[in-house]
Amino acid sequence: DTEVTQTPKHLVMGMTNKKSLKCEQHMGHRAMYWYKQKAKKPPELMFVYSYEKLSINESVPSRFSPECPNSSLLNLHLHALQPEDSALYLCASSQDDREYQPQHFGDGTRLSIL
Amino acid sequence: GQQLNQSPQSMFIQEGEDVSMNCTSSSIFNTWLWYKQDPGEGPVLLIALYKAGELTSNGRLTAQFGITRKDSFLNISASIPSDVGIYFCAGHSYFTGGGNKLTFGTGTQLKVEL
Repeated sequence: DTEVTQTPKHLVMGMTNKKSLKCEQHMGHRAMYWYKQKAKKPPELMFVYSYEKLSINESVPSRFSPECPNSSLLNLHLHALQPEDSALYLCASSQDDREYQPQHFGDGTRLSIL
Repeated sequence: GQQLNQSPQSMFIQEGEDVSMNCTSSSIFNTWLWYKQDPGEGPVLLIALYKAGELTSNGRLTAQFGITRKDSFLNISASIPSDVGIYFCAGHSYFTGGGNKLTFGTGTQLKVEL
């Protein structure tokens, strides 16, 4: 079982809806990540949070809005998404943002945009 | 940008056979990681490599970090049906003040015939 928990597992939403994805870890990790993965493709980094501060934004459209309310929680707020945003959204965490810290992944939220 | 190419793209092997896959990069990485992803789940860390030339084993898995720091290989000995899945290599980059970043390879899909 993964120690990074993502909810919901599946989400279907219309293009005008607002929804949020949630990620939680209780390993005391201080770096958390959002990735997007299309079918049969590798995960692609979206955002990195280090000590609750956004440290990397990989030029992600503003319709994706990350939030890190505390060291255990990471949210991804979604608004006005497009059909091409349908994908598996993966959360990961690592002990901190130093080099050599492996990242551990949750099982993802499968998002479908109608 | 950085690209990691994995080969082969897919493999169909007999149970009990040994498997070898590799990953090459156009850039140097300081850390190489190998992950396995099953359908409907997130990537699971298999092996982490921290030093050029390092050879590391984890059960039936053996991985090496290339001397040039631009490549890595993964071997699986005596494959079993549960080895089925997609294997991703990942290179680890560190940005001072910006956190660490994983760049994933294109993936190798492994299928095992009983």
